[in-house]
Amino acid sequence: EVQLVESGGGLVQPGGSLRLSCTASGFSFSNHWMNWVRQAPGKGLVWVSRIKSDGITTNYADSVKGRFTISRDNAKSTVYLEMNSLRAEDTAIYYCARIYSGTYSLMDFWGQGTLVTV
Amino acid sequence: YVLTQPPSVSVAPGKAASIFCGGNNIGLKSVHWYQQKPGQAPVLVIYYNSDRPSGIPERFSGSNSGIMAALTISRVEAGDEADYYCQVWDDNNDHPVFGGGTKLTVL
Repeated sequence: EVQLVESGGGLVQPGGSLRLSCTASGFSFSNHWMNWVRQAPGKGLVWVSRIKSDGITTNYADSVKGRFTISRDNAKSTVYLEMNSLRAEDTAIYYCARIYSGTYSLMDFWGQGTLVTV
Repeated sequence: YVLTQPPSVSVAPGKAASIFCGGNNIGLKSVHWYQQKPGQAPVLVIYYNSDRPSGIPERFSGSNSGIMAALTISRVEAGDEADYYCQVWDDNNDHPVFGGGTKLTVL
């Protein structure tokens, strides 16, 4: 069974930092791109960042570029989101989502999310 | 790239509901649909315009033609009440884009 479990959320002051983790199980993690998607309270889904299976290619939304860093450890089946210079508008539930193998846009499994409050 | 969805759709139980997603030349893109129930993570319900993942009831179907993509739920049940999001790939900016979401209310 595919599982994605996020952790690391919490309450942080503006300007502060947090590192989110998403640990995967039930599939070959190293074969998949991974996304981070966030959802502000009462709002819709917004893509944040993605990382290729090899950990080298990454992309970011303009709103987080230069402040957030995505990385992964395939040996630990974990993807990370390092968040610096946090702002009030970064307050959201952060979901990690698996990208279906062989595609670049289809998010076929999602974690339950972790709440970040700035 | 901007995807436009109606904020809300209401339907009586047992009837069909269609949720539309508009975007420039959306017929040329692959559209995916996600269902999100309150307090839960999104779940993929339709991918590549009209394909259905295993475990998703046949009552869920999708289409994409011309200027609009649509998610149709036939014989709506109370358990279908949720927010529904369409999503495509933005080729110009090289990242996924979500519609604003549609809240489906079962009367």
